Amino acid sequence: AQSVTQLGSHVSVSEGALVLLRCNYSSSVPPYLFWYVQYPNQGLQLLLKYTSAATLVKGINGFEAEFKKSETSFHLTKPSAHMSDAAEYFCAVSGVGTSGGGADGLTFGKGTHLIIQP
Amino acid sequence: DSGVTQTPKHLITATGQRVTLRCSPRSGDLSVYWYQQSLDQGLQFLIQYYNGEERAKGNILERFSAQQFPDLHSELNLSSLELGDSALYFCASSVAAAGGVTALHFGNGTRLTVT
Repeated sequence: AQSVTQLGSHVSVSEGALVLLRCNYSSSVPPYLFWYVQYPNQGLQLLLKYTSAATLVKGINGFEAEFKKSETSFHLTKPSAHMSDAAEYFCAVSGVGTSGGGADGLTFGKGTHLIIQP
Repeated sequence: DSGVTQTPKHLITATGQRVTLRCSPRSGDLSVYWYQQSLDQGLQFLIQYYNGEERAKGNILERFSAQQFPDLHSELNLSSLELGDSALYFCASSVAAAGGVTALHFGNGTRLTVT
């Protein structure tokens, strides 16, 4: 079974500082990994996804994530935080099963609330 | 805009009642997924339908059921409601039977409050 662990339920950074949100995964098969963002009163929006092509994945809004198999990690980063980045961020995993991607949807981490200090 | 439409946005009802949540997937998407989001449990996968057929079940209670209709819209039925069922219910859709590579596209959710 696949799972993800997000380290830190809350992360606070200053505007303009580096954003680092941590995600570690557990999977018995090569995983597909995702980062989603949820703004207040909205659904989840896909930031980026890893599908075994390139280990460094670039997403929307200046975010990127690096897949590190040796560390079973998929941390999300952004060089310079903006006030508009304040939101809840979710890491998710989907395994490659006999159906070619897993028929059970995505398994999400608990989420990390990103706070941007002015 | 993800293209996934959920109605209603808010629902307030009493314990013991039954409600139906509705979801219209993105145009062209054949899979519909239902998730429950609560403060203590986080995002929990409930059930998936693909082209009208149940594809996978997650942590869905027996009091809950879902279906996907020929026009691909889906409904989630929640019955004998309890206070603990208060949560945000999200619908997501994807092109494929398996959500893995293609990613899921989420609606804005239905906030259910059981009083």
